Amino acid sequence: DAKTTQPPSMDCAEGRAANLPCNHSTISGNEYVYWYRQIHSQGPQYIIHGLKNNETNEMASLIITEDRKSSTLILPHATLRDTAVYYCIVRVEPGRGYALNFGKGTSLLVTP
Amino acid sequence: DTAVSQTPKYLVTQMGNDKSIKCEQNLGHDTMYWYKQDSKKFLKIMFSYNNKELIINETVPNRFSPKSPDKAHLNLHINSLELGDSAVYFCASSQVTGGGQYFGPGTRLTVT
Repeated sequence: DAKTTQPPSMDCAEGRAANLPCNHSTISGNEYVYWYRQIHSQGPQYIIHGLKNNETNEMASLIITEDRKSSTLILPHATLRDTAVYYCIVRVEPGRGYALNFGKGTSLLVTP
Repeated sequence: DTAVSQTPKYLVTQMGNDKSIKCEQNLGHDTMYWYKQDSKKFLKIMFSYNNKELIINETVPNRFSPKSPDKAHLNLHINSLELGDSAVYFCASSQVTGGGQYFGPGTRLTVT
């Protein structure tokens, strides 16, 4: 699996868009970009994933650069409840199950 | 409705004891996992089962034995508990065809 690099921490004002970057310069053609988050004392939560096209769901948008070497997770209107550690994970689309290799992630603090 | 549930939520026990953690998912997924999150907050895969068959078995002591009675359940039994086993254990599930993994709330195990 390709290695990812994320900033250790970020701040965002409540109501503003939170843009979380992730570098994955060694990504292979068949590897997807997954985003998860872990709110304090809770289990990790799946947010979104994509291969090369931008993706959007009710939680967030995922923007992947054309060369696929980096991506950005966008929380359009951050709330205090979005304060969490966000993990960017790159791996092939699973076959018979797959392990997620969580790194250190980005600790996002949403402030009032 | 809880998608992935674990029992117990907290488990405090003495060294040398044997304990079990139970996990159930009602998402209809065919793959289930156990992850361990240590005191430094790193999440690591331990095991994965697909249709009751063990498919991922990371370097975990033999004292840990997963058991999957059916696709909806994956239990973790730990023999001869040690201080280093203290951690939060998360169960997760997914579809073999892809998509995200869905995590339970975690079981905080404290060995004294």
